[in-house]
Amino acid sequence: EDQVTQSPEALRLQEGESSSLNCSYTVSGLRGLFWYRQDPGKGPEFLFTLYSAGEEKEKERLKATLTKKESFLHITAPKPEDSATYLCAVQAFQAGTALIFGKGTTLSVSS
Amino acid sequence: EPEVTQTPSHQVTQMGQEVILRCVPISNHLYFYWYRQILGQKVEFLVSFYNNEISEKSEIFDDQFSVERPDGSNFTLKIRSTKLEDSAMYFCASSALLANTDTQYFGPGTRLTVL
Repeated sequence: EDQVTQSPEALRLQEGESSSLNCSYTVSGLRGLFWYRQDPGKGPEFLFTLYSAGEEKEKERLKATLTKKESFLHITAPKPEDSATYLCAVQAFQAGTALIFGKGTTLSVSS
Repeated sequence: EPEVTQTPSHQVTQMGQEVILRCVPISNHLYFYWYRQILGQKVEFLVSFYNNEISEKSEIFDDQFSVERPDGSNFTLKIRSTKLEDSAMYFCASSALLANTDTQYFGPGTRLTVL
């Protein structure tokens, strides 16, 4: 069964304190791995797509990396506005275009 | 920047009633999706729709659910006889191409409350 596990469930950081979020996945064949940001009561907001091991993508203070078993979302010098839930999702070849989501990591950044 | 829109933002209904949730996907997108998120739980796939027919559906998407593209812009999810356990946020998403991997863009969601 295709699965996505994110850790930690919650993370509290001080402004400027860099850290990483983990997404471990088990799929029969990975089509793509997606990171989204979700604010309370809102829809997931697209951040990155990664397709193959070794690939990296960056946007402002965020950097996503991918290996054959997991992905990391690195947050460098976070600001309070980075506080949100970060969702990881995968597309598997045998599951068509459906996204399989993890439970997310809720990040709180205090000033 | 184009975005997916959804109406209403919040729908309250009585158990057993029919509801229709509406979505306007991004205009040049070809694939459309519905997902739901029960409070405190994962986002779950319900159904995908392409070329005016269902492409894939999950076990959640039983006979109580149906989807339709009634015109060139709207995409709807109908729940025929709502149950308490249908209370959730429902998200519409769309993607641009018939590609092996393509980014899905999500709408803001409709919060459905079944009493």
